[in-house]
Amino acid sequence: GAVVSQHPSWVICKSGTSVKIECRSLDFQATTMFWYRQFPKQSLMLMATSNEGSKATYEQGVEKDKFLINHASLTLSTLTVTSAHPEDSSFYICSARALPRDETQYFGPGTRLLVL
Amino acid sequence: GQQLNQSPQSMFIQEGEDVSMNCTSSSIFNTWLWYKQDPGEGPVLLIALYKAGELTSNGRLTAQFGITRKDSFLNISASIPSDVGIYFCAGQVTNAGKSTFGDGTTLTVKP
Repeated sequence: GAVVSQHPSWVICKSGTSVKIECRSLDFQATTMFWYRQFPKQSLMLMATSNEGSKATYEQGVEKDKFLINHASLTLSTLTVTSAHPEDSSFYICSARALPRDETQYFGPGTRLLVL
Repeated sequence: GQQLNQSPQSMFIQEGEDVSMNCTSSSIFNTWLWYKQDPGEGPVLLIALYKAGELTSNGRLTAQFGITRKDSFLNISASIPSDVGIYFCAGQVTNAGKSTFGDGTTLTVKP
């Protein structure tokens, strides 16, 4: 149990285009999902906390107009990187909390974004 | 903000050896988590600790939640090649679930 999927697993896009990444909890309902960004050989950096039915809470320094987050249902959150630039190239990982079953986060497999 | 100091940064060990890594913080956490991340994949939860002093095992892995709530360690006994990867500690303060991650320990196991 507690499986989280992400789609796509990797994406290459041109500079200036927008990219949408989906995060789904497959066998549980997730009231809260988190979006992280990870650069090579570095730790995970929390970008935002996404609560179903409400606006996401962004961490300091993360542009909410740049990284649009929608948590439309208890099993789906999406991250849209708008007007992507090469510096947005990174590994994006989501996680979900399986409340009320437990408080821990279960991570998706990640999405690698390359902006040319 | 809160920071976690994870050490060592990397380890090169022989198959069969035991491994120990730890995380320390200047502030208190109420939950400690240990994850393993393989290249190109998301982190996988290994052990979750919820009480100060708690000692929990998962197969060859053992982790403890420090009494002061400011540290945690992870031990791996009798390492095998598939233990290779990056191990992250993470701390949570509240039930809000936001985790602060350490910088990771890269483990290499030589057969």
